[in-house]
Amino acid sequence: QSVLTQPPSASGTPGQRVTISCSGSSSNIGSNTVNWYQQLPGTAPKLLIYSNNQRPSGVPDRFSGSKSGTSASLAISGLQSEDEADYYCAAWDDSLNGHVVFGGGTKLTVL
Amino acid sequence: QVQLVQSGAEVKKPGASVKVSCKASGYTFTGYYMHWVRQAPGQGLEWMGWINPNSGGTNYAQKFQGRVTMTRDTSISTAYMELSRLRSDDTAVYYCARGGFSSDTYSSSSRFDYWGQGTLVTVSS
Repeated sequence: QSVLTQPPSASGTPGQRVTISCSGSSSNIGSNTVNWYQQLPGTAPKLLIYSNNQRPSGVPDRFSGSKSGTSASLAISGLQSEDEADYYCAAWDDSLNGHVVFGGGTKLTVL
Repeated sequence: QVQLVQSGAEVKKPGASVKVSCKASGYTFTGYYMHWVRQAPGQGLEWMGWINPNSGGTNYAQKFQGRVTMTRDTSISTAYMELSRLRSDDTAVYYCARGGFSSDTYSSSSRFDYWGQGTLVTVSS
């Protein structure tokens, strides 16, 4: 069971907007920034959003992130078939001498 | 360009140890923390710990304390993760991932901007 809670699956049709939620607590999301990773099948994760809402160079502006209190969300607008992947949220957790915690991952299906 | 190239797949018996390497190129190896993350088959991501390549300092996830050792060889820009007393549930793909600046005395970030290609470790009798 993951410390950060994500829905196991999400889906949408091409062109739609989808959101993926990530719920945590005061020791992680509530006091630290959230990062999001995209993992295409059979590949290593890729940084998608950092510091809650910043996009690394090369990430399309269709991807956006937000955070409020102890929750965060990833939004994907103008959904494309190549967006079909697993998405993970991550945050530093201040408990237990400090450690990184991940969400369980959300499998996004483009219908 | 930044690259992290990991060693090849390993098959180990229960109780044995495995050492995975991660060779960095395209940036100053000692300038950034290196983290290790693993992913069991069909499962999510699990953080194992970090090493500061500049100082050699480490921080391990509580779950792996006593079984994991992270080291580095700055002369060849390579980080290592050794896991001992392997069990079948250690079967996973192990990734190295670049973290924040090593000039920070302690890494408290979950931002990993470059990842290795992964190393499959299979533990089976």
